[in-house]
Amino acid sequence: SQQGEEDPQALSIQEGENATMNCSYKTSINNLQWYRQNSGRGLVHLILIRSNEREKHSGRLRVTLDTSKKSSSLLITASRAADTASYFCRYAGNNRKLIWGLGTSLAVNP
Amino acid sequence: KAGVTQTPRYLIKTRGQQVTLSCSPISGHRSVSWYQQTPGQGLQFLFEYFSETQRNKGNFPGRFSGRQFSNSRSEMNVSTLELGDSALYLCASSLETVNSPLHFGNGTRLTVT
Repeated sequence: SQQGEEDPQALSIQEGENATMNCSYKTSINNLQWYRQNSGRGLVHLILIRSNEREKHSGRLRVTLDTSKKSSSLLITASRAADTASYFCRYAGNNRKLIWGLGTSLAVNP
Repeated sequence: KAGVTQTPRYLIKTRGQQVTLSCSPISGHRSVSWYQQTPGQGLQFLFEYFSETQRNKGNFPGRFSGRQFSNSRSEMNVSTLELGDSALYLCASSLETVNSPLHFGNGTRLTVT
């Protein structure tokens, strides 16, 4: 099945450090969204970035979009233990088909 | 506003049985989509309903079906359960599919024995 690619698959950092995860896609997109999932629960929407935007901020989150490279990155600054979660990107590919990345598992150690 | 509500939260079934899961979307949301999440396959899209019509469908066998009612509440049904159907089933609602954020419920954890 079609899926976006996210890297790294897993990331382990210390509290206070920054965490960066990336999402690659293969088609043209209208927008790309990032979600967070805490263990065994539903996903929570973090940020939506449109194809005509290059950067977007929300609190300690910064998302960039490079349509020429077909990639997006999510940066979490000054990480906290509560940021420990899986992070997913989602975008609409051809024919409005929604595609999800496999996710990056982030562990923030106190 | 109340969030997306999924019931039941946990379910244990035996191979060959069938199961029905329920999802109540956020008030005013007309799009409801369903996902299966397993450790090996990640998030897999099942189907999406908008105003009682199935608008998109993922690559799942016909044993997986769903419907949406006039009040936007949705149900999904899995017949003839297999061990591989054990998963977290997530429902999400949104105003519209492509450009709106999805709001997820906490899921139904289905275990097939």
